[in-house]
Order: sequence, then C-alpha cells, then structure tokens
Amino acid sequence: QQQVKQSPQSLIVQKGGISIINCAYENTAFDYFPWYQQFPGKGPALLIAIRPDVSEKKEGRFTISFNKSAKQFSLHIMDSQPGDSATYFCAASLNNAGNMLTFGGGTRLMVKP
Amino acid sequence: DAMVIQNPRYQVTQFGKPVTLSCSQTLNHNVMYWYQQKSSQAPKLLFHYYDKDFNNEADTPDNFQSRRPNTSFCFLDIRSPGLGDAAMYLCATSRDLTDNQPQHFGDGTRLSIL
Repeated sequence: QQQVKQSPQSLIVQKGGISIINCAYENTAFDYFPWYQQFPGKGPALLIAIRPDVSEKKEGRFTISFNKSAKQFSLHIMDSQPGDSATYFCAASLNNAGNMLTFGGGTRLMVKP
Repeated sequence: DAMVIQNPRYQVTQFGKPVTLSCSQTLNHNVMYWYQQKSSQAPKLLFHYYDKDFNNEADTPDNFQSRRPNTSFCFLDIRSPGLGDAAMYLCATSRDLTDNQPQHFGDGTRLSIL
C-alpha cells in the first residue's frame, strides 16, 4: 500500500520558472515530512523538511507548503535553474515508529535553459 | 568530504554468485540502513541496524543478509543474486531512531547481474 503519493512523475520547467511537486499522505500520524533531491549516480540528499505544526518552511529558493487538513504537502522551487534538474522524492516518517521513511514515487525534474 | 562511503560504486556478479557490498560512515551514527533502488523508483528499505540490533523489513527476501561488525561499517550480502536483484543499493545513516533524525545517504553501489 503506497502511503505517500507524489505527482507529477515528470516535470519540465523553463529556467526562471517555478517548479511545483505535490505529495499526499494517508497516515495522519506522520509527523515529519522531508524532501530529498537525487542527482543521477548519486544518493538522495536531504533538501528541506517540515513538521506538521507549521504551514510553510522556506530555505532559499525552496519552499515546503503543508496542508494538514488536506493531508497534502508540496515543494516549490522558485527561479528554477538547470542545476536543479534531478529527481525529487517526498517522504514521511513517524517518530514513534523508528524514524522509517515512507517515500513517494519520485518526480523527475528537468529545467530547460 | 564523504560521510557515508559505499564500495564499490559498480559491481558486476554472475547469476547465483554471492556478492558483498560495503558501507562505512564517519558520522558515528547509531543507525545504518540498506535500501534497494530500482530504475525510476523510490528507495525501498531492506533492513536497518540500531547499534548491533538488526531489524529486517517483513518483505525483504531471505537472500539478503547484513552484518555490522562495528559502528563504522555495515555490509550487505546477497547470497544467490538473481536477475531481479540488479539495482542500486544505497546505504544511509542516522544519529538515532527518535526525533526524526535525518538520514544521510551514500552514493550507492550499482549492482549488475550477468
């Protein structure tokens, strides 16, 4: 059972545009929502994370928006750059379940120059 | 400086021939994880160690085993690799299992089966 659904599977954005990736979760007990960025041939790297007590978190050009009632969260990449081209995974975890990550299916982002 | 190091980066083995992948960490983290990632898919957790305590995921095949001789090193053993085991294998670490400690991933070992 996929507990975190991610969309779209792939995304093409022009340089300077806004990239938006959405995730929806089922388990209301999840209490930590990280986003990972993965370049080809590399392992995933933590990009930004949010806890459900806040509705938005911003780090540079990356923003997470969190809607607890809708059980949805999204990643916004402002002023997208070709160097942002990568696969992005949302995830969710449960503190009292041993920090195990439930990943979304991933979004392959291509930013065109 | 790489903090989670996986060796080798690429491994080729024959169908049915045992293979061992290795992971080392300089973070002194208590938890080490092994994931399998197939092309265009999310990483799938195989098992993890909290210190010396081994925790297997329910759907991890018996063909996959792991060893953690000390804090810094962890090994993934595939006893009889099948064609379906060709994948990227990722090692990750976290400081602890509580407080949503972030996981730090290595760059993986890409395993090919001939």
